[in-house]
Amino acid sequence: NAGVMQNPRHLVRRRGQEARLRCSPMKGHSHVYWYRQLPEEGLKFMVYLQKENIIDESGMPKERFSAEFPKEGPSILRIQQVVRGDSAAYFCASSPGSEKLFFGSGTQLSVL
Amino acid sequence: KQEVTQIPAALSVPEGENLVLNCSFTDSAIYNLQWFRQDPGKGLTSLLLIQSSQREQTSGRLNASLDKSSGRSTLYIAASQPGDSATYLCAGRSTGNQFYFGTGTSLTVIP
Repeated sequence: NAGVMQNPRHLVRRRGQEARLRCSPMKGHSHVYWYRQLPEEGLKFMVYLQKENIIDESGMPKERFSAEFPKEGPSILRIQQVVRGDSAAYFCASSPGSEKLFFGSGTQLSVL
Repeated sequence: KQEVTQIPAALSVPEGENLVLNCSFTDSAIYNLQWFRQDPGKGLTSLLLIQSSQREQTSGRLNASLDKSSGRSTLYIAASQPGDSATYLCAGRSTGNQFYFGTGTSLTVIP
C-alpha cells in the first residue's frame, strides 16, 4: 500500500504564473488535508476535503488559492498568479476518517 | 478553536539522556492526539496516536501520555540517540475531523 504521494517534489514558478500541486491519498482514504509550512514555522492548516466536497477551507486565502478532490484522481491545490510570499513547503495528508494522519513528502514551491 | 502549544521550542541533550517533550491544548474535547517526527526537508512521520479514552501509548523507546482534564500530553524518549534529532510535533483532533498542530520542539541529541 503506497503512502501519500505528492508531486512534484520541487516546483519553481515565476511571479504571476500558476502552480498546481498534486496529492494522491493512501488507498482507501477519503479525507485529504493541505498544510503550508514556512521555514522555522509550524504547519498551517489550509483546507480539508472529502471526495468531491470542501469541508473546511478556513485556512486558505480567499483569493488566488483553490483546492479540489474529484471523484477520480488526485487532490489538487492550485495557486494562481503566484507571488514570492507563496514560497513554502506544501504538505498533503490523508486519513481514512477520524484516526491517524498520514503525510506526503511535500512540495517545495519556489517563486522567483 | 483548538490552540496547541509545545514547550520548549528547542532542546539539546547529551546522548543517552531521557527526555520529555510537552504539548498543551486548550479544548479538552479532544478525540485523539498524535505525535509526529519531522526531519529537515522531509514530511511528517507518525510516531504515536493516543485515543481520548486512553492514557498512554508506547512504541519502543517512546511513550506518549494524554491527560484530557489538564489539557496536556507528553512524549517521553528514553536513552536518546543522535538519530532522534528532529523536530517533534503534536496534533490534536477536535470536532469536525480537524487536526490542530503545535509549532514543534526541535530536538538535538549530542553524541
